[in-house]
Amino acid sequence: DGGITQSPKYLFRKEGQNVTLSCEQNLNHDAMYWYRQDPGQGLRLIYYSQIVNDFQKGDIAEGYSVSREKKESFPLTVTSAQKNPTAFYLCASSTGTSGRFETQYFGPGTRLLVL
Amino acid sequence: SQKIEQNSEALNIQEGKTATLTCNYTNYSPAYLQWYRQDPGRGPVFLLLIRENEKEKRKERLKVTFDTTLKQSLFHITASQPADSATYLCALSRGSARQLTFGSGTQLTVLP
Repeated sequence: DGGITQSPKYLFRKEGQNVTLSCEQNLNHDAMYWYRQDPGQGLRLIYYSQIVNDFQKGDIAEGYSVSREKKESFPLTVTSAQKNPTAFYLCASSTGTSGRFETQYFGPGTRLLVL
Repeated sequence: SQKIEQNSEALNIQEGKTATLTCNYTNYSPAYLQWYRQDPGRGPVFLLLIRENEKEKRKERLKVTFDTTLKQSLFHITASQPADSATYLCALSRGSARQLTFGSGTQLTVLP
């Protein structure tokens, strides 16, 4: 089955700790995205990558870091600098070849909680 | 600044009726608009895309309209069913990059 997987489903972070959220896709998509969703709010873009070894900051990149060493993988690290990390994190991908009219395919999400 | 508003946080309708959800935007000129469905604790799922030069798009029981003069999109679900209960998100394209800006969503409940 083609799709996007995110792990873990739930993640707990202690104060001052960095944690990494995994995102893998086997859709052969070039573009990948990370969003944060807070209760009652829309998705806010953290980082995106349109090609391997390249990524750009989104609207709320502070306190987060990413890497894109492989086409299939786009891990997100929530650093200790992110003071309010509790949220639902969603990874998405798109083909990257359909010009501007692309739809995004989402993973099942990771819920991050602070201990 | 750019802003997207979806009509209400929650909408309850009776089974069999048509649900109409609204997405209004300001300070945007999106090339296209998309609607997604999100179930609790899950990632959004794409439903429909409509381009700026299209007035209406249909898919089975779903219909989307796009009025660039009013800066508004309407999303209709006809013959609604309890299984249609979910949160529906509108998303607008941003500039020339493959980025989307999402609204906060409308939670639809279809009552049996």
